[in-house]
Parts: sequence; C-alpha cells; structure tokens
Amino acid sequence: AQTVTQSQPEMSVQEAETVTLSCTYDTSENNYYLFWYKQPPSRQMILVIRQEAYKQQNATENRFSVNFQKAAKSFSLKISDSQLGDTAMYFCAFLTVVGKSTFGDGTTLTVKP
Amino acid sequence: GAGVSQSPSNKVTEKGKDVELRCDPISGHTALYWYRQRLGQGLEFLIYFQGNSAPDKSGLPSDRFSAERTGESVSTLTIQRTQQEDSAVYLCASKLARNSYNEQFFGPGTRLTVL
Repeated sequence: AQTVTQSQPEMSVQEAETVTLSCTYDTSENNYYLFWYKQPPSRQMILVIRQEAYKQQNATENRFSVNFQKAAKSFSLKISDSQLGDTAMYFCAFLTVVGKSTFGDGTTLTVKP
Repeated sequence: GAGVSQSPSNKVTEKGKDVELRCDPISGHTALYWYRQRLGQGLEFLIYFQGNSAPDKSGLPSDRFSAERTGESVSTLTIQRTQQEDSAVYLCASKLARNSYNEQFFGPGTRLTVL
C-alpha cells in the first residue's frame, strides 16, 4: 500500500514571494505518477502539476515547479511569485500504474497581500 | 465540453436513511473515482472503476457503502443506514484511462449531512 504525507497543515506566504510545500510518500513500486492538485475555497479540485517517476527532470508549469527526489521519496512543490489566487488547499497525490490513487491530507496555503 | 457533474450538490438526511449520490463523468473517460473528504481533511479513496468494473473496492469504509457504474458513464454511490460519521463531501473524478499519465478531473462534490 502507498502512503502520502504532507507534514505542513498550514502555510502562509507574502504576495510575490516564493513558498515550498513538502510531500513525502512511501511505496515499493518503481514506476508511478505524482501530482499536485489545488482546491480553492470554492472546492473544485484542479491539477497544478504532474511528474512521472521514471523521468529525472523536474516538471515545471509557469510559476509552479517540483523538486522530485526519487531515492528520498520526496516530491515538493515550489510556487514562485505567489499570487492572491494561489490561496487554496494543496494536495499531493500518488497514482500507481494500475490506477490506484492516494492523496495526502493537504496543506492550506494562504497568500497575504 | 462539460466537466464532471455530481448530484445532488447538497443532501441532508436523517440517521438511518439510505442516500444515493450520482456522478456523471466526462464523456469518453473510462476511469472513475469516488473519494470522501471530511471537513478540513484530505481525500479518502473509496473506490474506482475501469469501465463498469471496480478492480479496487478496498477503500469502502463498511458494507453500508456500495457503488455501481453502468454503460461506462454514470456512477452511483449508495450509503445505507447512514450514520453521523458519514457526513462529508463526496467527490467524484474521471480520467481518460486507468493506467495512463492523465489527470483526474473532479466534480464539485456532494455535501452530505447526516443529522
């Protein structure tokens, strides 16, 4: 079974600053997929960024990037130039190649003006 | 095109009653997931479907919970003899294929309150 741990229940950052959200996971599988999802206060969950475990290069999507350390089973999310609209709950998620999905407990991020 | 829809958006019921929650996935998405999210908490995996079959039902909390999917589209999650601890938001997500890199698209959820 897989587990996903997000050790920061709440974080805050000043607008325009950079913040990093941590995620660690445990699995015995060698290939899998990792995702960060965002859930704004309106509650519709949307994808932020994704990473395939067999790709060493860290994924980047505009202001969002990940630091994927496969040996350490770590998958942190860095948000650069934080904006007020980034305020949301962020979930780290693990997906096996056969489709089993596991989410972390989430980190509530508040961007302060 | 239309996203994932769920109905009802809110459901208030009395303890001991049965409830049925519905999910309409994005057309063509063969994988469908159900999650439970208690207030301020993470997503708890319940079940997923590949087509009409459910390879993994391990997340269902008890035998009061069941789910089915027909015609590779709509899915219903049924909770029998509801208890107060069943109160949560139930989220549905669909995905283009079970074992691909594709993201899950989430519905807005059904907020269930058991009095």
